[in-house]
This record gives sequence, structure tokens and C-alpha cells, in this order.
Amino acid sequence: EDQVTQSPEALRLQEGESSSLNCSYTVSGLRGLFWYRQDPGKGPEFLFTLYSAGEEKEKERLKATLTKKESFLHITAPKPEDSATYLCAVKGGGSNYKLTFGKGTLLTVNP
Amino acid sequence: DSGVTQTPKHLITATGQRVTLRCSPRSGDLSVYWYQQSLDQGLQFLIQYYNGEERAKGNILERFSAQQFPDLHSELNLSSLELGDSALYFCASSESAGSEAFFGQGTRLTVV
Repeated sequence: EDQVTQSPEALRLQEGESSSLNCSYTVSGLRGLFWYRQDPGKGPEFLFTLYSAGEEKEKERLKATLTKKESFLHITAPKPEDSATYLCAVKGGGSNYKLTFGKGTLLTVNP
Repeated sequence: DSGVTQTPKHLITATGQRVTLRCSPRSGDLSVYWYQQSLDQGLQFLIQYYNGEERAKGNILERFSAQQFPDLHSELNLSSLELGDSALYFCASSESAGSEAFFGQGTRLTVV
């Protein structure tokens, strides 16, 4: 069964203090790894898709990278508006189209 | 706006009742997913449909059922509701099996 583990569970940063979030996964035949941002009471907002080891994607202050066993979401010089829960998810191969999520990392950026 | 529409936004009902949650996917998306998110819990996968056919099933209770109609909208039916069923229910849609899924804003169900 596909498994996703995210660490840390919670992270507090000062504005401008860069850091990384980790997503470790176990999947049979990775079809895609996805990063989402979720604000309280809202639906997850899609950020990135990564398909193969070595791939990188960037958007503003966020950069996602992928290896064969884990993915990192790097946050450079974060701002308070980056505060949210960041979710990682994987889709495995075969006929199973299930999208499996980790429990997320709650990021708080203080001004 | 993700383009995925869920109705209603809020629902308050009594234990033992039955409710139906509705989801309209993004235009062109054939796949629909349903998730449950309780307080302080992660997104729990319930069920997934692709072009009208069930493709994957999670830990969905027997009291819950879903279907995807020919126009691709989907409904999640929850019956014999219990207090523990109170949660946010999300629908997501994607174009294909490997592509990213886009989420609606959810239906907040409160069972009293």
C-alpha cells in the first residue's frame, strides 16, 4: 500500500528564514508526486507535480525537488502569507488511481 | 477558483439521517475523487471514479456510497449518520490518471 510521511509536523519560521519540508514516500510505480497548500477550512490548492527523480519545479518562493524516496519543498525567504499546511501526495502505478496524502506540515511564518 | 464546485457548503443534520453531497468537476476532467477530513486529521481517501466507473476505493464505510453520472458530476451519499461523521468532505477532479487533482472548497457536515 502507498505510504506518505511528512516531517516536521509543524514548523515555525521568522520572516525571511529559509527552510525545507520533507515528504518520504513508498509507492509501487510512481505515477506522480504532488504538493498542495491548504488554508484552514479551505480546499487544498495545487502547487506542483513531479514525475521523476531529479525533477525540480519552482513558483515564487517555493521550490520542489524529487528523489527516488523523498521530495523536498524548499521555502526561500518566507513571508507571513506563506503560513499554511503543506500537503504531499502520491499516485501509484497499475490500475490503482488512488491519490494518497501525508498528514501535512503546518508552517507558521512570524513577521 | 479551482473550477470544482461542491454543494452545499454547509450542512447540519441529525443523527440517523441521510444526506447527499454534490460535486461538479472541472470542465474536461473525467476523474472525481472524494475525501474526508476530520478535525486534526489528514485527508482520508474515500473513493474515486473515472468516466463513470469506480476505479479505487479507500476506507469508505458501508453507510457511504457514491456515483458518477454521465454528465460527470458526482454525488456522495451518507446514510445513518453518526456524530463521528462530522467532517469536511472534499471532492477533487483530474483530467487523467497521472495528472494533478484540483479540489473544491468542501462541504462542512455537522451531525448533531
